Amino acid sequence: AAGVIQSPRHLIKEKRETATLKCYPIPRHDTVYWYQQGPGQDPQFLISFYEKMQSDKGSIPDRFSAQQFSDYHSELNMSSLELGDSALYFCASSFKGSYNEQFFGPGTRLTVL
Amino acid sequence: QQQVKQSPQSLIVQKGGISIINCAYENTAFDYFPWYQQFPGKGPALLIAIRPDVSEKKEGRFTISFNKSAKQFSLHIMDSQPGDSATYFCAASIRGAQKLVFGQGTRLTINP
Repeated sequence: AAGVIQSPRHLIKEKRETATLKCYPIPRHDTVYWYQQGPGQDPQFLISFYEKMQSDKGSIPDRFSAQQFSDYHSELNMSSLELGDSALYFCASSFKGSYNEQFFGPGTRLTVL
Repeated sequence: QQQVKQSPQSLIVQKGGISIINCAYENTAFDYFPWYQQFPGKGPALLIAIRPDVSEKKEGRFTISFNKSAKQFSLHIMDSQPGDSATYFCAASIRGAQKLVFGQGTRLTINP
């Protein structure tokens, strides 16, 4: 079965640089979520999109922005990167009629030096 | 403030034993409670989920028990195997809000 695809899988950036993470949801899924997971921590919700509109917002820094495109893929844009942004970033997708069953991608490991 | 509290932080079980992980929540608006399994460096994988209209759900060796009045739910892994060694997260969401709120995680180790 098709899964959520994330790219890149690993990313190394310098402080104050920018990064773009991409997410391709499971086919026919209409909702995309972004989560951030620090070492040894639980995933923290950042932002979600349903049918290309922002549906919920969590603890996402103002330096980050995201959008969902017409083909339902999503991008998380991160600017002025800080050391504390180093984490695993997961994208999850769901189908609105599925009672919120969220399926996670493999994640992007971002390292900020 | 952790909206979903999970215990224990770590758990060691012998092969063939029963692993039990507990979660508690405060927000009575939560109406969906999934459990996720995560291996190091991988994404969380949905194991099993329950809604408050049932008290128990079983899928293979995994069972969720739900106590609505106590605002608690737990994961039982029967006949635990070394391959079950992973970090387990409980979570909760309000259907309309959709975002998942996770517990702190339990690192489970199954000794052969």
